[in-house]
Amino acid sequence: QKEVEQNSGPLSVPEGAIASLNCTYSDRGSQSFFWYRQYSGKSPELIMFIYSNGDKEDGRFTAQLNKASQYVSLLIRDSQPSDSATYLCAVPPFSGGYNKLIFGAGTRLAVHP
Amino acid sequence: NAGVTQTPKFRILKIGQSMTLQCTQDMNHNYMYWYRQDPGMGLKLIYYSVGAGITDKGEVPNGYNVSRSTTEDFPLRLELAAPSQTSVYFCASRVDSPNYSNQPQHFGDGTRLSIL
Repeated sequence: QKEVEQNSGPLSVPEGAIASLNCTYSDRGSQSFFWYRQYSGKSPELIMFIYSNGDKEDGRFTAQLNKASQYVSLLIRDSQPSDSATYLCAVPPFSGGYNKLIFGAGTRLAVHP
Repeated sequence: NAGVTQTPKFRILKIGQSMTLQCTQDMNHNYMYWYRQDPGMGLKLIYYSVGAGITDKGEVPNGYNVSRSTTEDFPLRLELAAPSQTSVYFCASRVDSPNYSNQPQHFGDGTRLSIL
């Protein structure tokens, strides 16, 4: 089992819709979870982090965490073409002393007008 | 603040050549990381460092070496370049904190390396 798994996509949604991106992780000791956005040819940039079960909202973005199910998701409301990018889930595993991040392969999101 | 600076931005190497990818940060971060990203894939950790003089292997260390003599610099060395090392290389850093939960990694712009 991979440490961090994401569907590679592409996930195609119409402009204005809700995009739902999912991530599962294997290390039950992981405490915090990061979502990075990466535009083509650019470096990753942090958009959200979450460490408590439940929802965390920041503008159009909502991160959801369920530690019992080892599942974290990212919802993007009112999707815009500018949201078209690859979204990377990243987890610092307990097995690494929380010193490093393990990234999923990323989900490519395409928002069409 | 310049943040994390990587040089060069692009490089073409011949098989068997060696080179050093440079990474420097001016944020006084103790933690630094090297990743590689193959086309359409996520980031794979090569090496990381939790402070000057301390380095550790990541997921894909074979074919690479690192050193950390100062807090600012974390160079990545390729000794015998192979086509499988064609990739985009990212350096990142973060502040030292007992609570990782609110400390993101800051990334450089990347080095695009082709081995022919």
